[in-house]
Amino acid sequence: AQSVAQPEDQVNVAEGNPLTVKCTYSVSGNPYLFWYVQYPNRGLQFLLKYITGDNLVKGSYGFEAEFNKSQTSFHLKKPSALVSDSALYFCAVTSDSNYQLIWGAGTKLIIKP
Amino acid sequence: DSGVTQTPKHLITATGQRVTLRCSPRSGDLSVYWYQQSLDQGLQFLIQYYNGEERAKGNILERFSAQQFPDLHSELNLSSLELGDSALYFCASSEGQNTNYGYTFGSGTRLTVV
Repeated sequence: AQSVAQPEDQVNVAEGNPLTVKCTYSVSGNPYLFWYVQYPNRGLQFLLKYITGDNLVKGSYGFEAEFNKSQTSFHLKKPSALVSDSALYFCAVTSDSNYQLIWGAGTKLIIKP
Repeated sequence: DSGVTQTPKHLITATGQRVTLRCSPRSGDLSVYWYQQSLDQGLQFLIQYYNGEERAKGNILERFSAQQFPDLHSELNLSSLELGDSALYFCASSEGQNTNYGYTFGSGTRLTVV
């Protein structure tokens, strides 16, 4: 069965420091991986996706994620955090053997000034 | 503006009542997905329609039903409402019937059952 884990309910980072939000997955077949962000009282916004190709994917707002097949991970990163990055981040996965999108539980990112 | 339109934005209703949530997908998208987001259960997939036909079903209660119309807009009907149905309900859309390219979310309908 497909699954996604976001092991941290909350991540706290000081403004200007690098941030990482973790995501690991389990699928059969080739994975398609996504990160979405949700600001308070808003819908989910697409950040980036990995389908195939370069393992380092660059997305919106300066975020990037690295696909690691051996560790089945797709961690979200940003070199220098902004207070405005504070939001709820969701990782999601599907595969070419099961096209349903499976969502992680979400990680609340708090950037402190 | 994501291009996915949901109405109403807010809805307050009493237990036992019935409500209808509406979603218009992004232009050119044939699939519509409904999600429920509550504080204690995260993001729950309810149902997907593709070009008018039910494509996939998730954790949708029997009191809930949905349909997609010929103009591709979709409605989610919630009946015999309970306090626990209070949540954010999101609609998303995608071009194809598969989700391997992700999809676009609307801004949601916040349902409060009192």
